[in-house]
Amino acid sequence: GAVVSQHPSWVICKSGTSVKIECRSLDFQATTMFWYRQFPKQSLMLMATSNEGSKATYEQGVEKDKFLINHASLTLSTLTVTSAHPEDSSFYICSFGQGSNQPQHFGDGTRLSIL
Amino acid sequence: QKEVEQDPGPLSVPEGAIVSLNCTYSNSAFQYFMWYRQYSRKGPELLMYTYSSGNKEDGRFTAQVDKSSKYISLFIRDSQPSDSATYLCAMIRGNQFYFGTGTSLTVIP
Repeated sequence: GAVVSQHPSWVICKSGTSVKIECRSLDFQATTMFWYRQFPKQSLMLMATSNEGSKATYEQGVEKDKFLINHASLTLSTLTVTSAHPEDSSFYICSFGQGSNQPQHFGDGTRLSIL
Repeated sequence: QKEVEQDPGPLSVPEGAIVSLNCTYSNSAFQYFMWYRQYSRKGPELLMYTYSSGNKEDGRFTAQVDKSSKYISLFIRDSQPSDSATYLCAMIRGNQFYFGTGTSLTVIP
């Protein structure tokens, strides 16, 4: 099956720090990628969608200047949480899509804790 | 009304039981259906993907789609403690993904 590598798996940092999360598809090329945020015992909340080489489309209420997404290639995407604050603490998950009407394949998530 | 409805549970069953997980949807334009399994502090893992009415079987898992009733199910036979996780249904309509809220399942040894 499709393999998506996401790291780091867990990061703890001080308030005001910027944190970069990396997501790679290891065995396929993805046309679209997604970033989600998930709070404990809640479902996935879509943050943004991006296509390779294009700017990300952010969901309503998600600050694009705070959550910087770079979809550099068909196998790599990064999410940078800039000037993170405790309220940004959450579980962030990336996923890649292989084309129209195809399933998404998820990374293992990054647990972000801001002190 | 949400586009995709899924009972959050929690659902608790004894080992060896048959588990039935369900989702309903409101728009007949949904054509592609998936089930994901998510362990605690992990990303969702694709279990089943189907696009037609009827049953699809993979080992102990069977996905069932009833488009006339707008209802999908995931059956787990001979459930194991390792099946304890949250199960998410997902659907695609016009290249947009819609996820259920997930059902938390615990299989008791």
